[in-house]
Amino acid sequence: DTVMTQSPDSLAVSLGERATINCESSQSVLYSSNNKNYLAWYQQKPGQPPKLLFYWASTRESGVPDRFSGSGSGTDFTLTISSLQAEDVAVYYCQQYYSTPYTFGQGTKLEIK
Amino acid sequence: EVQLVESGGGLVQPGRSLRLSCAASGFTFDDYAMHWVRQAPGKGLEWVSGISWNSGGIGYADSVKGRFTISRDNAKSSLYLQINSLRVEDTALYSCARVGKYSSAFDIWGQGTMVTVSS
Repeated sequence: DTVMTQSPDSLAVSLGERATINCESSQSVLYSSNNKNYLAWYQQKPGQPPKLLFYWASTRESGVPDRFSGSGSGTDFTLTISSLQAEDVAVYYCQQYYSTPYTFGQGTKLEIK
Repeated sequence: EVQLVESGGGLVQPGRSLRLSCAASGFTFDDYAMHWVRQAPGKGLEWVSGISWNSGGIGYADSVKGRFTISRDNAKSSLYLQINSLRVEDTALYSCARVGKYSSAFDIWGQGTMVTVSS
């Protein structure tokens, strides 16, 4: 199974500052035939289901603010919020969908400092 | 409105069975693969099972293999999860999720149905 490891487990950032969450996969999730990374990012707010933010590691889902960006390839990925807003407080998960089981990272809890 | 609504959860004793349902609306159900994901109280997300649009491809997490069975009825726009031999560690919120046609990620999620396994 592909193990997804996020860092840090929790993060406190001041409003307007940058937040960075890392995700490392134990195996590459880059499919060479189409050059796509099978990596997604989700945001989960309390009492709500997860919301898809990015797929193919860096393609923003419709409606996601452009202060959010996704990057990386192979085994190392990053979710960045360029200027933290109060509504961004949530738990963020990465997920690989390259092969089953489609494993998630343990989650990163993002709070306001 | 695109929507997934789960049902069928409840409080059950270890060893018993449950059948969860996920009713889809607002989209052409048989165009999409579907998955079940669970989240234990206060914990992270765990992929449980997935099924292709025509039920030709099915997968399970090792933790549920042999006890859980995923199925779908495209005529009823519904996804199911038959859960047998329930264990205390199966206690979780079970959510269904749609696979995006272009993203291949889970683009639509239901609110989930809670399964509590306790004697």
